[in-house]
This record gives sequence, C-alpha cells and structure tokens, in this order.
Amino acid sequence: AQSVAQPEDQVNVAEGNPLTVKCTYSVSGNPYLFWYVQYPNRGLQFLLKYITGDNLVKGSYGFEAEFNKSQTSFHLKKPSALVSDSALYFCAVRDPYRFTGGGNKLTFGTGTQLKVEL
Amino acid sequence: DAGVTQSPTHLIKTRGQQVTLRCSPKSGHDTVSWYQQALGQGPQFIFQYYEEEERQRGNFPDRFSGHQFPNYSSELNVNALLLGDSALYLCASSLASGSFNEQFFGPGTRLTVL
Repeated sequence: AQSVAQPEDQVNVAEGNPLTVKCTYSVSGNPYLFWYVQYPNRGLQFLLKYITGDNLVKGSYGFEAEFNKSQTSFHLKKPSALVSDSALYFCAVRDPYRFTGGGNKLTFGTGTQLKVEL
Repeated sequence: DAGVTQSPTHLIKTRGQQVTLRCSPKSGHDTVSWYQQALGQGPQFIFQYYEEEERQRGNFPDRFSGHQFPNYSSELNVNALLLGDSALYLCASSLASGSFNEQFFGPGTRLTVL
C-alpha cells in the first residue's frame, strides 16, 4: 500500500524567512506526488505535482518542491514566507494511472499546520 | 469557469438517519472522487466514479454508497448515520484520460451527526 508521512504537525516561521514542510513517501513503483493547501473552512487547493523529470518542481504562489528518490522525500519549500501562507498543507501520493479510468485515488498525509508570523 | 461545487454547505442529522450529498464536477471533468476528512485528519478516500460506475473504493462500509449521473455530477449517500460519520466530505473531479491530471476539490459539505 502506498503512503506518505508528514512528520511535523506544525511548522512556525517568520515572514520573509524560507520555509520547508516535510513529506516522505512509501510506494511500489514510480511515485506520483502532490501538495495541496487547505485554508479554514475551505476545500483543498492544488499547489504542485511530481510525475517524472526534474527533481525541483515549481508550483503555485511561489511554492516549489524537491523530489529526492534516495531519501524518498518530497519536501515543500518557499524562499520567502508570507503571513498569508499560513494554512494546513497536505502531501499526497496517487495510485498509478489506469487508462480505463479511475486509478487516481489519492492517499494523504496527516497534514502540517504552517504558521507564518510577523 | 465554475470549479467543483458541492451542496449543501452544512448539514445536521441525528444518528440512524440517512443523508445525501451532491457534487458537480469542474467543467470538462468526467471522474468524481469522494473523500472524508475528520477533524484534524487528512482526507480519506471513500470511492471514485467514472462512466457512472464505481471504479475504486476505500475502506468504508456499505452504508456509504454513491451514484454518478450522465452529466458527470455525483451523489454520496450515507445510511444509518453514526456519530463517527461527522466530518467534512470533499468531492474532487478530474479527467480520467490523458496526462496525470490533478484532482480539483470542492469546498466540502460539513456533516454533523448528533
């Protein structure tokens, strides 16, 4: 079974400082990895994904993620944090693609609350 | 272009009752997935519909059932509600074919079971 782990329940960072939200994965086969963000009383918003190719993936709102196969990690990063980045972040892994439809079930981590302070 | 929409926004039920939640996918999407997000947890996959059939199911009892209509919209039904069914129910839509498309999520329906 595929899984992701987010080892930190909460990450605190000062505005303007770089931020990292950690994620490690366990999959059989190629990993298809995603980051989503959730603001209070809202659904999940897609940030970025890794399917194949460059290990550094760029996404929305200035976020990027670094895929590291040897460490089975997919950490989310941003060079300069904003107070408005404060939210709940989820790492997810997707089932392998199946042509007949379906197969894109997402398995989520438990989430990391990011708090950016002035 | 409307994104994924869900109704109702909030719902309060009592134990033993039945509930139906509704989802309209993003325009052009043909696959709908449902997730349950309990307080303080990550979303858990319930099931996925494509071509009006359930294609994949997570570890949820048969009390949870669904349907997909020809216009790709979907319903989630939960029978014999338990207190533990209280959660945010998220609908996500995507394209089945093509590249590894991300899922787009709706705002969710907050279900409270008393």
